[in-house]
Parts: sequence; structure tokens; C-alpha cells
Amino acid sequence: GNSVTQMEGPVTLSEEAFLTINCTYTATGYPSLFWYVQYPGEGLQLLLKATKADDKGSNKGFEATYRKETTSFHLEKGSVQVSDSAVYFCALSANTNAGKSTFGDGTTLTVKP
Amino acid sequence: DTAVSQTPKYLVTQMGNDKSIKCEQNLGHDTMYWYKQDSKKFLKIMFSYNNKELIINETVPNRFSPKSPDKAHLNLHINSLELGDSAVYFCASSQVDGRYEQYFGPGTRLTVT
Repeated sequence: GNSVTQMEGPVTLSEEAFLTINCTYTATGYPSLFWYVQYPGEGLQLLLKATKADDKGSNKGFEATYRKETTSFHLEKGSVQVSDSAVYFCALSANTNAGKSTFGDGTTLTVKP
Repeated sequence: DTAVSQTPKYLVTQMGNDKSIKCEQNLGHDTMYWYKQDSKKFLKIMFSYNNKELIINETVPNRFSPKSPDKAHLNLHINSLELGDSAVYFCASSQVDGRYEQYFGPGTRLTVT
């Protein structure tokens, strides 16, 4: 079956530090890949996505590239802010009708001023 | 306009009671989901409906019963509540194609005492 493994947290960084959250996946076929962010007290929201190999998703300074050869979709940001403190989820979804999404365990990021 | 809404936001109840959580989406999506998030932020899918039909039913106690009166609504009824049911429950919706992201509601925090 499909699975997503992401870097264990929590991760604590100082403001303006570089962020990497690793995500690797196991899936049959060619899934779509997503990063979701959950701010305190809120539901998950899409941060970025990529639907095929070598695609790069980007949003709000975050980036992730769909690497089929390494089955990875690592999340990066060059300079984090306090407002980026949240839980980040990597997910994949089969490109089929009503494809079920598989979520990673989430990584909690805290950014200190 | 709220895309995916849930009521209530907070629910405190005693063991053995029966309760319901309601979800509505105004995005015109065909697929809706219920997720359970525990205190460690792990997200687990419970059910998925496509156009009012149940398509995913994970290993969930049969005390949990989803109902979809139309494709814009997916309610969750829980019988004989137990302490272990305490969690945050999220409703989500998406287009039927797995390449599209899911839109999450704000969550319902259920506390069973």
C-alpha cells in the first residue's frame, strides 16, 4: 500500500534560518504529492503541490520538488518567520477517481524570534 | 464565504452519550471525508463519500456512522461515546480526481469525560 514518511519533529529554528522537512513516499503508479500546513487551532490547508515528476510546487516562499528517482518531496524555505510556526503534513494521492490520500505523521515547526 | 464548515466547534459530553457533528461544503465537490486527529497530531482517515456513496470505510468502530443526505453534506454520528473518542474531527472535501487538493473544515474538538 501507499505510505508517507516525514521527518520527525519537533523542529525548532531561529527566525531567518533555513528550513528543510524531509518527506519520502512509497506508492504504486504516479501519485500527486502535497504539503499541507496546520496553524494552531485551525484545519489543514494546502501549502503547495506537484502532480508529476520534476514538478516544483511553491507558495509563500516554500518550495518542494517531486523527485521520482528518490521518491521524495522535501519541503524547503530559505528564511523562516515566526508566523511559519505550525504543523506540516506531507501527503500523496493516487491520480484515480476518488483517490485516497495518505498523510505523513506531521512535523511541528516552532520558529523563535 | 466559508468553503467547508463544521458544527459544533467544541463538544464536551459524558461517556455513553450519543452525539453528531455536521459538515457542509459549498465548493461543489463530489467527495467528502471525515478524519480523526489525536493529541499527537496524527491524522487518520475514517470515511470517504463520493456523491453520497460510501467509498472508504477504514477500520472504525461501528459506533461511528456517517450519513450523507446530499453531496454537499456529510454528518458523523457517534453512539455510546468512549474516553478514547476524544480528539479533533475534521471534515474535508475535494474534487473526485486525486490530483486535486482537499479542503478542510476548522475541526470539531470532542472531549468525552
